[in-house]
Amino acid sequence: GAGVSQTPSNKVTEKGKYVELRCDPISGHTALYWYRQSLGQGPEFLIYFQGTGAADDSGLPNDRFFAVRPEGSVSTLKIQRTERGDSAVYLCASSPAGGGEQYFGPGTRLTVT
Amino acid sequence: AQSVTQPDIHITVSEGASLELRCNYSYGATPYLFWYVQSPGQGLQLLLKYFSGDTLVQGIKGFEAEFKRSQSSFNLRKPSVHWSDAAEYFCAVDPLNTGFQKLVFGTGTRLLVSP
Repeated sequence: GAGVSQTPSNKVTEKGKYVELRCDPISGHTALYWYRQSLGQGPEFLIYFQGTGAADDSGLPNDRFFAVRPEGSVSTLKIQRTERGDSAVYLCASSPAGGGEQYFGPGTRLTVT
Repeated sequence: AQSVTQPDIHITVSEGASLELRCNYSYGATPYLFWYVQSPGQGLQLLLKYFSGDTLVQGIKGFEAEFKRSQSSFNLRKPSVHWSDAAEYFCAVDPLNTGFQKLVFGTGTRLLVSP
Protein backbone atom coordinates (compact mmCIF):
# COMPACT_ATOMS: atom_id res chain seq x y z
CA GLY A 1 0.00 0.00 0.00
CA ALA A 2 0.94 3.63 -0.26
CA GLY A 3 3.17 5.13 2.38
CA VAL A 4 3.05 8.55 3.94
CA SER A 5 3.19 11.27 1.32
CA GLN A 6 4.09 14.91 1.75
CA THR A 7 3.59 17.83 -0.59
CA PRO A 8 5.31 19.81 -1.83
CA SER A 9 8.65 18.06 -1.72
CA ASN A 10 10.38 21.44 -1.87
CA LYS A 11 9.12 24.89 -1.02
CA VAL A 12 11.00 28.14 -1.38
CA THR A 13 9.38 31.22 0.10
CA GLU A 14 10.33 34.74 1.05
CA LYS A 15 10.71 35.90 4.60
CA GLY A 16 7.39 37.04 5.99
CA LYS A 17 5.24 34.87 3.74
CA TYR A 18 2.73 32.24 4.78
CA VAL A 19 3.21 28.57 3.88
CA GLU A 20 1.22 25.37 4.15
CA LEU A 21 2.75 21.92 4.15
CA ARG A 22 0.56 18.89 3.56
CA CYS A 23 0.78 15.35 4.89
CA ASP A 24 -1.23 12.35 3.69
CA PRO A 25 -0.87 9.54 6.23
CA ILE A 26 -1.19 5.84 5.59
CA SER A 27 -4.85 4.96 5.20
CA GLY A 28 -6.37 3.91 8.50
CA HIS A 29 -3.65 5.37 10.69
CA THR A 30 -5.24 7.46 13.39
CA ALA A 31 -2.07 8.96 14.84
CA LEU A 32 -0.12 11.61 12.94
CA TYR A 33 3.09 13.40 13.88
CA TRP A 34 5.03 16.38 12.62
CA TYR A 35 8.77 16.77 13.14
CA ARG A 36 11.26 19.37 11.98
CA GLN A 37 14.80 18.44 10.96
CA SER A 38 17.31 21.23 10.69
CA LEU A 39 20.58 20.76 8.85
CA GLY A 40 22.92 18.45 10.72
CA GLN A 41 20.35 17.69 13.40
CA GLY A 42 17.98 14.89 14.24
CA PRO A 43 14.25 15.33 13.83
CA GLU A 44 12.61 17.45 16.49
CA PHE A 45 9.05 16.73 17.61
CA LEU A 46 6.48 19.42 16.82
CA ILE A 47 2.97 18.06 17.29
CA TYR A 48 1.03 14.80 17.56
CA PHE A 49 -2.58 14.19 16.53
CA GLN A 50 -4.79 11.36 17.65
CA GLY A 51 -7.73 11.52 15.28
CA THR A 52 -8.75 15.11 14.66
CA GLY A 53 -7.40 16.58 17.86
CA ALA A 54 -3.91 17.66 18.76
CA ALA A 55 -2.95 15.39 21.64
CA ASP A 56 0.39 17.08 22.20
CA ASP A 57 1.51 20.34 20.59
CA SER A 58 4.28 21.07 23.05
CA GLY A 59 6.95 21.03 20.34
CA LEU A 60 5.56 23.90 18.27
CA PRO A 61 8.22 26.62 18.63
CA ASN A 62 5.86 29.61 18.77
CA ASP A 63 2.42 30.81 17.74
CA ARG A 64 3.44 31.28 14.12
CA PHE A 65 3.17 27.52 13.78
CA PHE A 66 -0.18 25.80 13.63
CA ALA A 67 -1.38 22.41 12.42
CA VAL A 68 -4.79 20.99 11.65
CA ARG A 69 -6.27 17.63 10.83
CA PRO A 70 -9.97 18.39 10.34
CA GLU A 71 -11.18 14.98 9.18
CA GLY A 72 -8.70 12.79 10.99
CA SER A 73 -6.72 11.98 7.88
CA VAL A 74 -4.79 14.65 5.94
CA SER A 75 -2.93 17.19 8.03
CA THR A 76 -1.64 20.63 7.16
CA LEU A 77 1.18 22.40 8.95
CA LYS A 78 0.82 26.15 8.64
CA ILE A 79 3.58 28.66 9.23
CA GLN A 80 2.83 32.36 9.34
CA ARG A 81 5.31 35.19 8.83
CA THR A 82 8.09 32.79 7.94
CA GLU A 83 11.61 33.51 9.15
CA ARG A 84 14.93 32.30 7.77
CA GLY A 85 15.32 30.16 10.87
CA ASP A 86 12.26 28.17 9.81
CA SER A 87 14.26 26.67 6.95
CA ALA A 88 14.38 22.92 7.54
CA VAL A 89 12.97 19.63 6.39
CA TYR A 90 9.51 19.06 7.82
CA LEU A 91 8.74 15.40 8.37
CA CYS A 92 5.38 13.78 8.84
CA ALA A 93 4.76 10.33 10.28
CA SER A 94 1.70 8.23 11.00
CA SER A 95 0.98 5.19 13.11
CA PRO A 96 -1.95 2.90 13.82
CA ALA A 97 -4.35 3.49 16.68
CA GLY A 98 -2.94 2.97 20.13
CA GLY A 99 0.61 3.69 19.16
CA GLY A 100 2.95 1.54 17.20
CA GLU A 101 5.72 2.11 14.74
CA GLN A 102 5.81 5.55 13.19
CA TYR A 103 6.03 5.47 9.39
CA PHE A 104 7.74 8.55 8.05
CA GLY A 105 7.18 10.43 4.83
CA PRO A 106 10.03 11.76 2.68
CA GLY A 107 9.65 15.27 4.05
CA THR A 108 9.15 18.77 2.69
CA ARG A 109 12.27 20.88 2.40
CA LEU A 110 11.36 24.46 3.28
CA THR A 111 13.73 27.26 2.37
CA VAL A 112 13.00 30.78 3.53
CA THR A 113 14.98 33.42 1.66
CA ALA B 1 19.62 17.68 31.05
CA GLN B 2 17.69 14.91 29.34
CA SER B 3 19.27 14.08 26.00
CA VAL B 4 20.25 11.51 23.42
CA THR B 5 23.89 11.59 22.36
CA GLN B 6 25.45 10.13 19.27
CA PRO B 7 29.10 11.04 19.68
CA ASP B 8 30.21 10.14 16.15
CA ILE B 9 29.13 12.55 13.42
CA HIS B 10 30.72 10.49 10.64
CA ILE B 11 32.02 6.95 10.48
CA THR B 12 33.74 5.28 7.53
CA VAL B 13 33.78 1.50 7.34
CA SER B 14 35.14 -0.77 4.67
CA GLU B 15 32.62 -2.98 2.95
CA GLY B 16 32.50 -6.32 4.72
CA ALA B 17 33.87 -4.94 7.98
CA SER B 18 31.90 -4.82 11.21
CA LEU B 19 30.10 -1.70 12.41
CA GLU B 20 29.20 -0.23 15.77
CA LEU B 21 27.34 3.06 16.14
CA ARG B 22 27.17 4.54 19.59
CA CYS B 23 24.17 5.98 21.40
CA ASN B 24 23.92 7.20 24.98
CA TYR B 25 20.87 8.61 26.69
CA SER B 26 20.42 10.70 29.78
CA TYR B 27 17.06 10.09 31.39
CA GLY B 28 16.08 9.21 34.93
CA ALA B 29 14.34 6.01 33.96
CA THR B 30 15.10 3.76 31.04
CA PRO B 31 13.14 5.09 28.09
CA TYR B 32 11.97 3.09 25.13
CA LEU B 33 14.85 3.02 22.65
CA PHE B 34 14.95 2.99 18.85
CA TRP B 35 17.30 3.09 15.91
CA TYR B 36 16.21 4.62 12.60
CA VAL B 37 17.97 4.84 9.24
CA GLN B 38 17.55 7.71 6.76
CA SER B 39 18.72 7.29 3.20
CA PRO B 40 18.86 10.25 0.79
CA GLY B 41 15.41 11.07 -0.48
CA GLN B 42 13.84 8.43 1.74
CA GLY B 43 11.82 8.68 4.89
CA LEU B 44 13.14 7.49 8.21
CA GLN B 45 12.86 3.72 8.58
CA LEU B 46 12.74 1.88 11.88
CA LEU B 47 15.58 -0.65 12.23
CA LEU B 48 14.81 -1.96 15.70
CA LYS B 49 13.41 -1.05 19.10
CA TYR B 50 13.85 -1.97 22.76
CA PHE B 51 11.12 -1.76 25.34
CA SER B 52 12.14 -4.37 27.93
CA GLY B 53 13.37 -7.94 28.27
CA ASP B 54 16.27 -9.38 26.35
CA THR B 55 18.91 -6.68 26.11
CA LEU B 56 20.13 -7.83 22.68
CA VAL B 57 17.61 -6.81 20.06
CA GLN B 58 17.52 -8.03 16.47
CA GLY B 59 16.31 -5.76 13.73
CA ILE B 60 15.92 -5.60 9.99
CA LYS B 61 18.72 -5.64 7.42
CA GLY B 62 20.99 -7.68 9.70
CA PHE B 63 21.29 -5.01 12.39
CA GLU B 64 21.24 -5.62 16.12
CA ALA B 65 21.55 -3.42 19.18
CA GLU B 66 22.48 -4.03 22.78
CA PHE B 67 20.97 -2.17 25.71
CA LYS B 68 23.35 -1.65 28.63
CA ARG B 69 21.64 -0.09 31.59
CA SER B 70 24.87 0.51 33.52
CA GLN B 71 26.25 2.56 30.66
CA SER B 72 22.96 4.15 29.55
CA SER B 73 23.83 2.96 26.07
CA PHE B 74 22.05 1.40 23.13
CA ASN B 75 24.71 0.77 20.49
CA LEU B 76 23.86 -0.44 17.00
CA ARG B 77 25.95 -3.18 15.41
CA LYS B 78 26.24 -5.07 12.17
CA PRO B 79 28.79 -7.85 11.61
CA SER B 80 29.38 -7.16 7.91
CA VAL B 81 28.55 -3.87 6.26
CA HIS B 82 27.25 -3.64 2.69
CA TRP B 83 27.65 -0.63 0.42
CA SER B 84 23.88 -0.15 0.57
CA ASP B 85 24.12 0.53 4.31
CA ALA B 86 25.60 3.96 3.63
CA ALA B 87 23.07 6.34 5.17
CA GLU B 88 22.37 8.46 8.24
CA TYR B 89 21.51 6.60 11.42
CA PHE B 90 19.53 8.07 14.26
CA CYS B 91 19.10 6.83 17.78
CA ALA B 92 15.82 7.89 19.37
CA VAL B 93 14.04 7.56 22.69
CA ASP B 94 10.47 7.75 23.87
CA PRO B 95 11.09 9.29 27.27
CA LEU B 96 7.51 8.85 28.43
CA ASN B 97 7.45 5.15 27.54
CA THR B 98 4.04 5.58 25.99
CA GLY B 99 4.83 3.68 22.86
CA PHE B 100 5.99 5.67 19.91
CA GLN B 101 4.34 8.93 20.62
CA LYS B 102 6.92 11.61 21.20
CA LEU B 103 10.32 10.61 19.99
CA VAL B 104 13.50 12.46 20.90
CA PHE B 105 16.25 11.93 18.35
CA GLY B 106 20.00 12.16 18.54
CA THR B 107 21.92 14.25 16.03
CA GLY B 108 22.70 11.26 13.85
CA THR B 109 25.77 9.43 12.57
CA ARG B 110 26.52 9.41 8.88
CA LEU B 111 27.90 6.08 7.74
CA LEU B 112 30.20 6.01 4.74
CA VAL B 113 31.13 2.64 3.23
CA SER B 114 34.40 2.38 1.37
CA PRO B 115 35.05 -0.31 -1.25
